[in-house]
Amino acid sequence: LAKTTQPISMDSYEGQEVNITCSHNNIATNDYITWYQQFPSQGPRFIIQGYKTKVTNEVASLFIPADRKSSTLSLPRVSLSDTAVYYCLVGRRGFQKLVFGTGTRLLVSP
Amino acid sequence: GAVVSQHPSWVICKSGTSVKIECRSLDFQATTMFWYRQFPKQSLMLMATSNEGSKATYEQGVEKDKFLINHASLTLSTLTVTSAHPEDSSFYICSARGTGNETQYFGPGTRLLVL
Repeated sequence: LAKTTQPISMDSYEGQEVNITCSHNNIATNDYITWYQQFPSQGPRFIIQGYKTKVTNEVASLFIPADRKSSTLSLPRVSLSDTAVYYCLVGRRGFQKLVFGTGTRLLVSP
Repeated sequence: GAVVSQHPSWVICKSGTSVKIECRSLDFQATTMFWYRQFPKQSLMLMATSNEGSKATYEQGVEKDKFLINHASLTLSTLTVTSAHPEDSSFYICSARGTGNETQYFGPGTRLLVL
């Protein structure tokens, strides 16, 4: 399982775009990149998943460079309710288990 | 779609008793379910992986006789904390993955407090 490295915390203000970068230097050919969001006392919520280039859904975008050794989760125009911990995980297609790192604690202020 | 539920959402028990936590996939069949534990201000720690109809695979350091896992159907897995002690107090979270689906979906978690 590829190890991931993320900033421990980030601060932002309402309405700003937030980019959280995750390093995964040992990513393997068959690995996918998945991001989850977790609020206190709740289970993680799936945000987005990708393999290469760019993936976009209704809540976020995921940018993956050609070498795939890093990825960036982009949250457009964050609000106070986006204050949470964001986890980046890397795993093979059909992988059996996820190993959570420390995550990035995002604090959005008014 | 892809909803996972847990029951109960919180439980308080006396030391020495056993507690069962249920995890259900509501709108898909989960061939694989996972159980995690999370202490305050810490990340999720995988406890075990269970495949429907077979024995669970426990992570290193997790006592299989203390944390009994049953995955008897494609929509239900249970975690039983046997002879619970105060140090077992934690937030227990399950996740489920369907056939051919690489995404894990998580339940809302169960808060266990052992007095």
